[in-house]
Amino acid sequence: DARVTQTPRHKVTEMGQEVTMRCQPILGHNTVFWYRQTMMQGLELLAYFRNRAPLDDSGMPKDRFSAEMPDATLATLKIQPSEPRDSAVYFCASGLVGGEQPQHFGDGTRLSIL
Amino acid sequence: GNSVTQMEGPVTLSEEAFLTINCTYTATGYPSLFWYVQYPGEGLQLLLKATKADDKGSNKGFEATYRKETTSFHLEKGSVQVSDSAVYFCALSDHINFNKFYFGSGTKLNVKP
Repeated sequence: DARVTQTPRHKVTEMGQEVTMRCQPILGHNTVFWYRQTMMQGLELLAYFRNRAPLDDSGMPKDRFSAEMPDATLATLKIQPSEPRDSAVYFCASGLVGGEQPQHFGDGTRLSIL
Repeated sequence: GNSVTQMEGPVTLSEEAFLTINCTYTATGYPSLFWYVQYPGEGLQLLLKATKADDKGSNKGFEATYRKETTSFHLEKGSVQVSDSAVYFCALSDHINFNKFYFGSGTKLNVKP
């Protein structure tokens, strides 16, 4: 089965450091989503892309977060500088255009900012 | 606007018991509806979906029927197993807004032997 691949699976770093999370969507998928999951807030949509173009990043703190798709096989989410409140599990999901199409999730990056 | 409301958990059942997890939604159009399952340390996995009113999605013994009149999509299983212990998320897809999904808060299911 094709899968969304996220790296790294775990990241521990100190406050103020830059963090880069990577996602390889399923080949052929043309929508990519970034989510953040915490116990308090649940699952939050940070940004999403269609055909590599950003459509909505209103869920993302603009001053420190950035999301890009340099090519169709790679999506990145960067935090600079990182803060302890950014500690969470970050998920990438991909899918095909169409309201009936499901999103397929990766296993996430568990981020801890000390 | 769009939103999904799920029953709060945790739900604790004995093995072979009947499961219902309630999900209701509000939507501006005619969304598709989904149930996802999340096991510890993993991402969300699609469990089933329904794309129009009265459709029934089913998979691995789980079922849910898209009820437009009650704006509901309740998840059911006739006989749960310990391996069904996980967190279950109900979601809707906004057909207009480029596949944007709206997720419920999740319901944790614990099944005891």
